[in-house]
This record gives sequence, structure tokens and C-alpha cells, in this order.
Amino acid sequence: LAKTTQPISMDSYEGQEVNITCSHNNIATNDYITWYQQFPSQGPRFIIQGYKTKVTNEVASLFIPADRKSSTLSLPRVSLSDTAVYYCQGDTGRRALTFGSGTRLQVQP
Amino acid sequence: NAGVTQTPKFQVLKTGQSMTLQCAQDMNHEYMSWYRQDPGMGLRLIHYSVGAGITDQGEVPNGYNVSRSTTEDFPLRLLSAAPSQTSVYFCASSYAWTGSSGSSYEQYFGPGTRLTVT
Repeated sequence: LAKTTQPISMDSYEGQEVNITCSHNNIATNDYITWYQQFPSQGPRFIIQGYKTKVTNEVASLFIPADRKSSTLSLPRVSLSDTAVYYCQGDTGRRALTFGSGTRLQVQP
Repeated sequence: NAGVTQTPKFQVLKTGQSMTLQCAQDMNHEYMSWYRQDPGMGLRLIHYSVGAGITDQGEVPNGYNVSRSTTEDFPLRLLSAAPSQTSVYFCASSYAWTGSSGSSYEQYFGPGTRLTVT
């Protein structure tokens, strides 16, 4: 099954930009790359997805290089409420949607 | 829409007992999945289904059974509970759309069931 690799944790301060990179092993050729955010005691929720190059929405940007072996989630000007665990989602093409260990982001005032 | 609902929210079992965790979605999603999340850890895929009548194993299927008789429901059965199955269980559903580039699976997660096996 597809395995994704992310840093275990990151620290930042309010107002800074945070970039979290995920390495994708065996990402399916035709599948989008998707990122989720999880707060304690809640299920993950969708943040952003993309296929290649750059995608931006109201909360984040996603950068995917041409080889699609990795992706980088960019959170501009983080606030305390962005403290959460962030996951990238992988798929081998069998639609077995797996997650890495997640990156625990701690935002300090 | 209620989205993805899971029952119960909390459950305590004794070793060897069996039970079924319920999951339902009202979004007409074809794809449904079950994950477990151990304390401080990531999500691990247990079983998934790409449509009614079709199920497949994920990363950690041992000790669990699933069935998908309808599009809406995807119950997870613990056959003989063990302390190692103490975890939070999340159910998710997604639609799959295929654009010019590829296929997208944006999953919607339920609130989780916190299971303790003693």
C-alpha cells in the first residue's frame, strides 16, 4: 500500500508561513494529492488537493513538483488556531487511501 | 445532510467480546473506509469499500470484518476484542470524480468511536 512520509512535528510562531512536505511512495499516476487537518478529538477534515504545480484556496497553498514524488502544504501567516495535526493522503491506485503519521504543528504566540 | 455518522461515541468491551461499530452516510458516496487511530499516532486503514457489495482489506485488517450491503451503511465488526484494539475508530466516505488530470477522493470523516478493551 502507498506510504507517505512527513516530519513528525513542527513549531512556528503566529504570523509566520509554515511549509510541510510529504514524500509520496507509489502515488497513483492518475490520483490527486490531498491534505487534511485534524484537531484533538475530531475526525480529519479536508484542506486542499491538487494534481500538479500549484493550487491555492482560502486557507492554504499546495505545491506539487512535476514528478509528483512529493507535495508541500503551505500555510500563510499561521495563527494559534492552526495548531493541529496535518496529514497527506496517498493511494496506490487500488483506492486504498492511506495516511502518513501526520505532522503535529504547534503555533506559539 | 447529517454527513457521516458513527455510533456509539464511546464503548468499553471486555477481552473476547464482539461488537459492531456503525457508520452511515447520507451523501450517496460510493467509497467508504474505516481507520483506527491509536493515541498520539496517525490513521491506519482497516477496511474499505468502493461500492455496495465490494470490500477490500487495508493496512491492518486482522480482527475486523466489514460488509457493505447498501450505499449508506458500512459497519465494522470486531470478532473477539483484544486490548490491542483499544483505539479511536473513524469512518469516512468520499465521492470520486475524474477530471482531465486524474481522480480525486476527498474524504469526509465521522466524529469517531472511542473504544476501550479491558
